[in-house]
Amino acid sequence: EIVMTQSPATLSVSPGERATLSCRASQSITSNLAWYQQKPGQAPRLLIYGASTRATGIPARFSGSGSGTEFTLTISSLQSEDFAVYYCQQYNNWPPLFTFGRGTKLEIK
Amino acid sequence: QLQLQGSGSGVLKPSQTLTLTCVVSGDSVSASAYSWNWIRQPPGKGLEWIGYIHLRGTTYYNPSLQSRVTIILDRSKNRLSLRLTSVTAADTAVYYCARGVDRTGYSRYYLDSWGQGAQVTVSS
Repeated sequence: EIVMTQSPATLSVSPGERATLSCRASQSITSNLAWYQQKPGQAPRLLIYGASTRATGIPARFSGSGSGTEFTLTISSLQSEDFAVYYCQQYNNWPPLFTFGRGTKLEIK
Repeated sequence: QLQLQGSGSGVLKPSQTLTLTCVVSGDSVSASAYSWNWIRQPPGKGLEWIGYIHLRGTTYYNPSLQSRVTIILDRSKNRLSLRLTSVTAADTAVYYCARGVDRTGYSRYYLDSWGQGAQVTVSS
C-alpha cells in the first residue's frame, strides 16, 4: 500500500495570503495525484488531478505541482471560502488501491 | 450536471449487513470511460477507498475489506450498490459514491463527482 503523508496537519493563514500544502508518497506515483477540498458536512470536491490540472470550475488561485513522491498544492490568495480540509489522493496503484492522506486543515489566522 | 444520490441503511446492529444505493443522474453508468466507486469517512477521520466497479463488471476492492464487500452496477436503473457484511462499530462512517475518470488510458481513476454521502451507524 502506498502511504500518503500530508503536512502540516493544520495551517493557519490570513485571508489574502498564500497557503502551501504538502503531500508525500511512500513510493513514486508519477503524476497520478489528486487534491480534494472538503468543508464540514459536505462531500469532498475535486480541485486538481494529474498533479497539476485544475478541475472544471476551479479558480486559478489553486495550483498543483510535483511528480514522483513530492507534491504541493498552492492557494495564491486565500479567500474566506477556502478555509477547509484538503486531502491528497494517489491513484497510481495497480491493482487499484487508492489511498488518501490524512488531510491538512486550513484555518483562518 | 452529474448527481449521485445515496440512500440505504442508517442504523445497524453488529453482524448485520449494510446496503447502500447510489442513483446516478446526468450521466450513464454504462459509459465505458468511468469507474463507479465507494469511499467512506469515519467520524472525524479521513477518507478510505472501499472499491470500484467498471461497466465491464470488473470490480476492485480494498484488501482490508475484500472479504466482506460487494459492489454491483444496475445499468437498467442507472445506479450502483454497496453491500458490506458482518458490520462492526468500526464500519460507522459516512459513505460516499463517486465517479472515477481515467485520463491516462491505463485505468488510473481520479474521483471527479461525489454523492452527498449517507451516514451509517453501527451500534448495539
